[in-house]
Amino acid sequence: ELKVEQNPLFLSMQEGKNYTIYCNYSTTSDRLYWYRQDPGKSLESLFVLLSNGAVKQEGRLMASLDTKARLSTLHITAAVHDLSATYFCAVDMTNTGNQFYFGTGTSLTVIP
Amino acid sequence: GAGVSQSPSNKVTEKGKDVELRCDPISGHTALYWYRQSLGQGLEFLIYFQGNSAPDKSGLPSDRFSAERTGGSVSTLTIQRTQQEDSAVYLCASSKAGGWSSSLYNEQFFGPGTRLTVL
Repeated sequence: ELKVEQNPLFLSMQEGKNYTIYCNYSTTSDRLYWYRQDPGKSLESLFVLLSNGAVKQEGRLMASLDTKARLSTLHITAAVHDLSATYFCAVDMTNTGNQFYFGTGTSLTVIP
Repeated sequence: GAGVSQSPSNKVTEKGKDVELRCDPISGHTALYWYRQSLGQGLEFLIYFQGNSAPDKSGLPSDRFSAERTGGSVSTLTIQRTQQEDSAVYLCASSKAGGWSSSLYNEQFFGPGTRLTVL
């Protein structure tokens, strides 16, 4: 069974600091997605990573994918309070007839 | 609106009652997905539709859960004889195409969810 693990599960960081969230998955996939969820809200697509070595950046967030290591990272640069949310990675297994497998989520709180 | 819509936004029901949750996907999206999210948890896949057919029902937790999709558009998730453990937020998502046909089209767009509370 595919497992998608994120760490840390909870992250509290000060504004201006850098940090990385990790997403490890247990089987081969070349496609991985990152989503953001604000409290009481639905999921918003952040990044679509479609191949080994893919890197995407948007503002203070940068996502990368290493399919050989089965690892994706979401790096936060100079965090601001508005980034406080829960971040989910999702592994696309549609090539096996299965669907998306979501990680457990990382709850990020940025302290002013 | 251009996004995925769901109704109702909140539903409170008594144990043993049946409930129906509705999802309107983005126009033109052929794939539709249902997920369940319990408080503070990740997403649990329930069922996937490609057009009107459901090639993957593997996530439905019991035979009390069923879903249908008509006209390749609106989908209804039905929970019969609700139990307290069914309480959760039910999220619907759609994408242009399911399967491995085109990578970008697998990007899923989520609706606001229906918060179900079973008393």
